[in-house]
Amino acid sequence: DAKTTQPPSMDCAEGRAANLPCNHSTISGNEYVYWYRQIHSQGPQYIIHGLKNNETNEMASLIITEDRKSSTLILPHATLRDTAVYYCIAHYNFNKFYFGSGTKLNVKP
Amino acid sequence: DAEITQSPRHKITETGRQVTLACHQTWNHNNMFWYRQDLGHGLRLIHYSYGVQDTNKGEVSDGYSVSRSNTEDLPLTLESAASSQTSVYFCASSEDLTAGNTIYFGEGSWLTVV
Repeated sequence: DAKTTQPPSMDCAEGRAANLPCNHSTISGNEYVYWYRQIHSQGPQYIIHGLKNNETNEMASLIITEDRKSSTLILPHATLRDTAVYYCIAHYNFNKFYFGSGTKLNVKP
Repeated sequence: DAEITQSPRHKITETGRQVTLACHQTWNHNNMFWYRQDLGHGLRLIHYSYGVQDTNKGEVSDGYSVSRSNTEDLPLTLESAASSQTSVYFCASSEDLTAGNTIYFGEGSWLTVV
């Protein structure tokens, strides 16, 4: 799997959009970009994934640059319950599904 | 609803004892995984299984073993628990290993070895 780089922490005001960046400059053509989050003391929760096109679901949007070397996870209206560690993973198969250190998102009132 | 459950959720054991962590999923997924997560680190793969009777070593498999006798369960055994194995353990499963599929995680088992 391609290595991913994320900032260690970010702050966001409640109700505002949270934009979490991820660099994956060595991503290969068949690797998807996945985002998971982990709220304290809970198991990782799937958020969204994509290959080339931008994706949106009920939780978030994923914007992937045209060269696929970076992506941004967007939580459109962050709430206090979105405070968590967010992991960006460039992945092909699950026997090498490597979670790095992630970004700690702090949503503040 | 289908789910993945782990037990026990919390356990304290002594050095040298054998410990087994249970993982049960009701999605009928062929693929199951065990990860450990240490403070300040991401998840690291211990063992994984593609189906019944299949097991494979992951990145940090030393001191751990798994067995897959049915689709639903993948128990993780620590043969002789060591303090270095104090960690949070997550079980996961996936329907398909091809790119674009999703892996789902259990809630974790907190293990302390004293």
